[in-house]
Amino acid sequence: EVQLVESGGDLVQPGGSLRLSCAASGFTFSSYSMNWVRQAPGKGLEWVSYITSSSSTIYYADSVKGRFTISRDNARNSLYLQMNSLRAEDTAVYYCVRTVYGSGRHFDYWGQGTLVTVSS
Amino acid sequence: NFMLTQPHSVSESPGKTVAISCTRSSGSIATNYVQWYQQRPGSSPTTVIYDNNQRPSGVPDRFSGSIASSSNSASLTISGLKTEDEADYYCQSFDSSNHGVFGGGTKLTVL
Repeated sequence: EVQLVESGGDLVQPGGSLRLSCAASGFTFSSYSMNWVRQAPGKGLEWVSYITSSSSTIYYADSVKGRFTISRDNARNSLYLQMNSLRAEDTAVYYCVRTVYGSGRHFDYWGQGTLVTVSS
Repeated sequence: NFMLTQPHSVSESPGKTVAISCTRSSGSIATNYVQWYQQRPGSSPTTVIYDNNQRPSGVPDRFSGSIASSSNSASLTISGLKTEDEADYYCQSFDSSNHGVFGGGTKLTVL
């Protein structure tokens, strides 16, 4: 059974930093591209970042570029999101999401999410 | 880059059919595949349609997807509505920079 378990969410002050982790199990983690997708309280979904299986290609949403860094450790079956210079508008549930490729690509498995609150 | 626009909410009675639209603001809807995700209250999203019209295993055939170039939009159609279909639905695609793009979401009420 595919499982994605996020951790690291917390209350942090504006300008602060936080590192999110995602522990993957039930599949060959090193073979899949991964993403972070967030959802502000009561709002819609927003794609944040993408990383290929080998970390060779990385993309960021414009809203987080230069502040967030995605990375992975295939030996530990783990995905990370380092978040710096946090702002109130970064407050959201952050989901770890697997990418699968068919004719196109889509998000097939989502974690349960971890809540990041940016507030003084 | 483009935006995907969905109606804020739709409602329909059990047993009926409902269609949720997703309109692309610029560029052709056919350029990039469209996905649909269901999010029930308090839960993570799950895929109900991918690659415009493909259903993952386990998703009932009451769910179908299509695109229409005439309106530059995608549609999710749910037939034989059940109360368990009540949820938020999001369309999603990728832009030319390989960034994910989500619609704003549609709240489906089955009453």
